[in-house]
Amino acid sequence: DQQVKQNSPSLSVQEGRISILNCDYTNSMFDYFLWYKKYPAEGPTFLISISSIKDKNEDGRFTVFLNKSAKHLSLHIVPSQPGDSAVYFCAASGGGADGLTFGKGTHLIIQP
Amino acid sequence: DTGVSQDPRHKITKRGQNVTFRCDPISEHNRLYWYRQTLGQGPEFLTYFQNEAQLEKSRLLSDRFSAERPKGSFSTLEIQRTEQGDSAMYLCASSPFRNEQFFGPGTRLTVL
Repeated sequence: DQQVKQNSPSLSVQEGRISILNCDYTNSMFDYFLWYKKYPAEGPTFLISISSIKDKNEDGRFTVFLNKSAKHLSLHIVPSQPGDSAVYFCAASGGGADGLTFGKGTHLIIQP
Repeated sequence: DTGVSQDPRHKITKRGQNVTFRCDPISEHNRLYWYRQTLGQGPEFLTYFQNEAQLEKSRLLSDRFSAERPKGSFSTLEIQRTEQGDSAMYLCASSPFRNEQFFGPGTRLTVL
């Protein structure tokens, strides 16, 4: 049973526009959420995180929104740039476990 | 480079052989994690160390897998009697506290 779900395997966005990546979770014990970016043949790179006591966190072009009642979070990238083309993973931790639980990822393609 | 390093980057082995991977975390990080990633999936948690103590093990970590972190610095992951289903990217991550984990480039294992 997948506890973290990214239902869009891929997303195509024009350069300069907003990219919105979505993630849903089922485990109500999760209290910390992270987004990672991954290029082929490299390890995931940490992008941004949010604690369950917040509903928004911003870092430059990246903003993460958390809706605890809906068990949903999203990553907004504004404006999207060609270098943003990568696979984005949503991850969560909590419930006494330190290991992260990841979604399957969304492949973001930024078109010129 | 002061990031997480992993060695080797690639390993090809025959079914039934033993393999060992090494991870060197960021020097001031006392937490170290191992994950496995297969094609089309997100990373899956295997095990976690705080200093030299192994505090969490996933049910994915069968008895053919063993991990050590003898002096609380580098860690090794050994797979005995490899099977074709062990073919995957093995990722190591470290962190100074719970939550943000910083990943190495991974070791890609191919079992023939």
